[in-house]
Amino acid sequence: QVQLLESGGGVVQPGTSLRLSCEASGFSFSSYGMHWVRQAPGKGLEWLAVVWFDETIIEYAESVKGRFTISRDNSKSVLFLDMSNLTVDDSAVYYCARRGGASWLDYWGQGTLVVVSS
Amino acid sequence: EIVMTQSPATLSLSPGEGATLSCRASHDIDNNVAWYQQKPGQSPRLLMFTSSAPAAGIPDRFSGRGSGTEFTLTLSSLRSEDVAIYYCQQYHKWPLTFGGGTKVEIK
Repeated sequence: QVQLLESGGGVVQPGTSLRLSCEASGFSFSSYGMHWVRQAPGKGLEWLAVVWFDETIIEYAESVKGRFTISRDNSKSVLFLDMSNLTVDDSAVYYCARRGGASWLDYWGQGTLVVVSS
Repeated sequence: EIVMTQSPATLSLSPGEGATLSCRASHDIDNNVAWYQQKPGQSPRLLMFTSSAPAAGIPDRFSGRGSGTEFTLTLSSLRSEDVAIYYCQQYHKWPLTFGGGTKVEIK
C-alpha cells in the first residue's frame, strides 16, 4: 500500500533553516509528482510546492517562493523540502502528498511538525 | 490566485440527516476540483476529484457535483464517523488553493 513518511520537523529559531524529508513506499515513486502542503495549528490547508516526477516542472506558492526548495531523489524514493529564513508564521504540520492525475492529492503522509520559536 | 470559498463554516446535523457543503471559486475552473476529509487528529484523505469522481474506497453516500464556479459535496445520510472538516481544492491553475473548510458536527 502507498505509504508516505515525513521526517525532519522540530523546534527551530527564527531565521534558521530546516530540511524535511518524505520517504515513499508502496508505489513507483519515480512515476509520480509530489506535493508539500502545510497546516498551521487550528488552521486550514495551505499548498506549498509541487515537483513533477522528472523535476521538469516545479511550482511554488507565493508565500514560500525564494525561501523553500522542493526536490527529490528518485533513486531513494525520497522527497525533500529545504526551508530557509524561517519565521514564526512557518510553524505548522508539513505534509507530503502524492500527485494524482491532474494535481489532486491522492495520498498523504502523517505530517511532521515544525515549530519556529525564539 | 484562485480563491476558494466554502460555506457554511460549520454544519451541525443529526445522524441520518443529509448534508450539503458548498464551495465557490473566484474564477471559472471547469471541473478541476477535489474534496478532502480531515478527521480530528488525522491527515486529509481524498474524497472526490474532477468534481464528482469518488476516490477509491469512498462510500457512495458521498457525492460531488458542479462545474465552473459552484461546487457541492453531499453526504446523503450522516454517520458519526463523518465528523470531520471538509476541504475543497482547485487544481485548474497554479498555485493550487484550498477552501477554508466546512466543519461537520453531530448534534
